[in-house]
Amino acid sequence: DVVLTQSPATLSVTPGERISLSCRASESVDTYLHWYQQKPNESPRLLIKYASQSISGIPSRFSGSGSGTDFTLSINGVELEDLSIYYCQQGNSLPFTFGSGTKLEIK
Amino acid sequence: AVQLVESGGGLVQPKESLKISCAASGFTFSNAAMYWVRQAPGKGLEWVARIRTKPNNYATYYADSVKGRFTISRDDSKSMVYLQMDNLKTEDTAMYYCTAGGTGFDYWGQGVMVTVSS
Repeated sequence: DVVLTQSPATLSVTPGERISLSCRASESVDTYLHWYQQKPNESPRLLIKYASQSISGIPSRFSGSGSGTDFTLSINGVELEDLSIYYCQQGNSLPFTFGSGTKLEIK
Repeated sequence: AVQLVESGGGLVQPKESLKISCAASGFTFSNAAMYWVRQAPGKGLEWVARIRTKPNNYATYYADSVKGRFTISRDDSKSMVYLQMDNLKTEDTAMYYCTAGGTGFDYWGQGVMVTVSS
């Protein structure tokens, strides 16, 4: 199974900051890497698909990059509403797997 | 708008069975692969099962943790997807989400809670 390692586990941020979240795969997943945001007591929602493709309705401050084994989710100008847990997920091979998540906190 | 509405969750005892359902609307259901993803309390996300479309022979796939115990199915005429869960274990306790998409999960339901406890 493909193991996805997300770092850091927790990130304390100041509103307005530009931040980057990392997701590393144990083997190449090409660009079959997707990012999700989960706010407390809500269902996850898709933020970025296929590593860098934007999703309709998602603010433009969210962007993704990477291919193979190293991926990054960037937030350009963090807002209070972005406090959430962010998960990466690979869809290159079954079983589809998720990273353990990065929790975004306010400093 | 796309909607996925799960139902049928509840409290069951270990080794019992439960069937949860998901009603889909707002997209061409018959063209979409459907999935179940679960989340144990306070934990991360775990992919559970996948069912493909009719042109792909409704092929099904399962996580090792549920293989042989869970069965995913769909009824395209009703835009419904189901998860039959047999021989439930305490470690199956989780929120179960119905999702739709390609290799990623574009749409999510609100989830249904399944609690396995004696």
